[in-house]
Amino acid sequence: EDQVTQSPEALRLQEGESSSLNCSYTVSGLRGLFWYRQDPGKGPEFLFTLYSAGEEKEKERLKATLTKKESFLHITAPKPEDSATYLCAVSMAGGTSYGKLTFGQGTILTVHP
Amino acid sequence: DTAVSQTPKYLVTQMGNDKSIKCEQNLGHDTMYWYKQDSKKFLKIMFSYNNKELIINETVPNRFSPKSPDKAHLNLHINSLELGDSAVYFCASSQYRGDTEAFFGQGTRLTVV
Repeated sequence: EDQVTQSPEALRLQEGESSSLNCSYTVSGLRGLFWYRQDPGKGPEFLFTLYSAGEEKEKERLKATLTKKESFLHITAPKPEDSATYLCAVSMAGGTSYGKLTFGQGTILTVHP
Repeated sequence: DTAVSQTPKYLVTQMGNDKSIKCEQNLGHDTMYWYKQDSKKFLKIMFSYNNKELIINETVPNRFSPKSPDKAHLNLHINSLELGDSAVYFCASSQYRGDTEAFFGQGTRLTVV
């Protein structure tokens, strides 16, 4: 069964304290892995897409990496405004799963000033 | 100008009622989705349409019926509402099926009392 698991469920950091969020997946034929940010009361906001192992993407203090089994979202010197829920999702290739995003349960990140 | 807009943002209704949620996207995308986010913030796909054609229909009660009058609109009608239907419903769109990032609306918080 296709699964996406994120860890930790919640992460508290001090401002400037770098860390990483993990997304592990077991899918038959990965088409793409997506990272989203969700603020309270809002819809998920797209951050990155990764398509193949070894690929990396960066945006400001965020860097996403991908291996054959997992993805990491590295947060360098976070600020309080980075506080949000970070969601990982995968898109599978072919079959009845083609075209849908399967989400992990999310990591709630809180950055204290 | 909002890319993906849903109405209403909040919906409070009694058990047994029938209600609809509307979604419109102005991005020119081919594919639209309905997702349900439960109280634990877990986001799960319900339906997907590609160019007005239903392509994904997850295990959802028959009381839920999507309708896509054209490529830019996807509505969700729910019959005989139950307490367990209370959740946040998100509409989303993407340029292609699962290959590209999805853009989400702000969500409709449905509360069944």
